[in-house]
Amino acid sequence: DAGVTQSPTHLIKTRGQQVTLRCSPKSGHDTVSWYQQALGQGPQFIFQYYEEEERQRGNFPDRFSGHQFPNYSSELNVNALLLGDSALYLCASSFGTGTNQPQHFGDGTRLSIL
Amino acid sequence: GQQVMQIPQYQHVQEGEDFTTYCNSSTTLSNIQWYKQRPGGHPVFLIQLVKSGEVKKQKRLTFQFGEAKKNSSLHITATQTTDVGTYFCAGPDNYGQNFVFGPGTRLSVLP
Repeated sequence: DAGVTQSPTHLIKTRGQQVTLRCSPKSGHDTVSWYQQALGQGPQFIFQYYEEEERQRGNFPDRFSGHQFPNYSSELNVNALLLGDSALYLCASSFGTGTNQPQHFGDGTRLSIL
Repeated sequence: GQQVMQIPQYQHVQEGEDFTTYCNSSTTLSNIQWYKQRPGGHPVFLIQLVKSGEVKKQKRLTFQFGEAKKNSSLHITATQTTDVGTYFCAGPDNYGQNFVFGPGTRLSVLP
């Protein structure tokens, strides 16, 4: 039973570029949430996808966008990259959108902006 | 907006000593979850507490939810080197629609 898988594991970009990160949820899960984790901090909620729609959004600018596909996998896109976007980007899946569901995290994509 | 705080930020203990981390929310929570993140790893769900005053145990770990449902604690008895990592609490935001994570408590265990 595969858990949450994310790709790529590491990525190096320069300011102004665009990036796409990918996530496949745990088998049986239909909801994907994306988090940004800066070094030494807790994960910060970016947005959540359910039934191919963005359901909730955290305090992140429109440069951050996403998509969910019919197979429940998801992408996170970030445009016009800034140095401050350097972080570990975590994908978490769950069954349903409720906050009483455990979040199952992937290993993350470490994004470095030069 | 809602804030979730954790203390201490760091804790260094000798193997065999006990460890406690505290989590405080600025608002009442419907539930609280605890996660552990090993160095270089990802957060792993440990437990969820729902009821006021609830206490749950997992082997050497004891989790407690405060009576007012605004605070929680995680206590580890007789720490082991495998306990090393950062412990996060997380609760629903003001709208109950997504999670707000605390900043975490980083535990180091000296052998």
